[in-house]
Amino acid sequence: DGGITQSPKYLFRKEGQNVTLSCEQNLNHDAMYWYRQDPGQGLRLIYYSQIVNDFQKGDIAEGYSVSREKKESFPLTVTSAQKNPTAFYLCASSIRAGEAFFGQGTRLTVV
Amino acid sequence: SQQGEEDPQALSIQEGENATMNCSYKTSINNLQWYRQNSGRGLVHLILIRSNEREKHSGRLRVTLDTSKKSSSLLITASRAADTASYFCATDPQRNDMRFGAGTRLTVKP
Repeated sequence: DGGITQSPKYLFRKEGQNVTLSCEQNLNHDAMYWYRQDPGQGLRLIYYSQIVNDFQKGDIAEGYSVSREKKESFPLTVTSAQKNPTAFYLCASSIRAGEAFFGQGTRLTVV
Repeated sequence: SQQGEEDPQALSIQEGENATMNCSYKTSINNLQWYRQNSGRGLVHLILIRSNEREKHSGRLRVTLDTSKKSSSLLITASRAADTASYFCATDPQRNDMRFGAGTRLTVKP
């Protein structure tokens, strides 16, 4: 079945640690996106990529990094520079300017 | 920054009534999309309307787009309890990105 998969579903991070969230899609989509969602809020764009080996910063990229070495994969690293990382993270993919498909999200908590 | 802003922030109606949500945005767009999110889950695509379209229908959903006013509305007719969710509009101000508003939380009471 085609789809987009995020893992893990829950992730706990200690202060000062870097953690990486996985996002994989087998829909053959060129575009991939990462969003952050805080409780009761909308989605804020962290990074997006329209093609392999290329990505752009969104509105809240500070403290995050990404890579796009393969079309299928767009991992997000939450670095220790992100001072308030506790949130729900959503990954999506789409054809250009088309319908986006979302993963089920990763809930990150700082302990 | 948020590109789209939904209005109202929250809406509560009885089953069978219609629900109307509005979205305003700031810059020119290529298309506008509406998504639904059940609590704690990923978003599900509902409908896409292109900048040269004015109205689009899909089942009980009706979307309008007014590019002169930079606004869109989503109408859900004959609502059901299962329609309870948050609804978001998304636009592509840079043509290659996808930005969301803060959403409308819809509650449909049985």
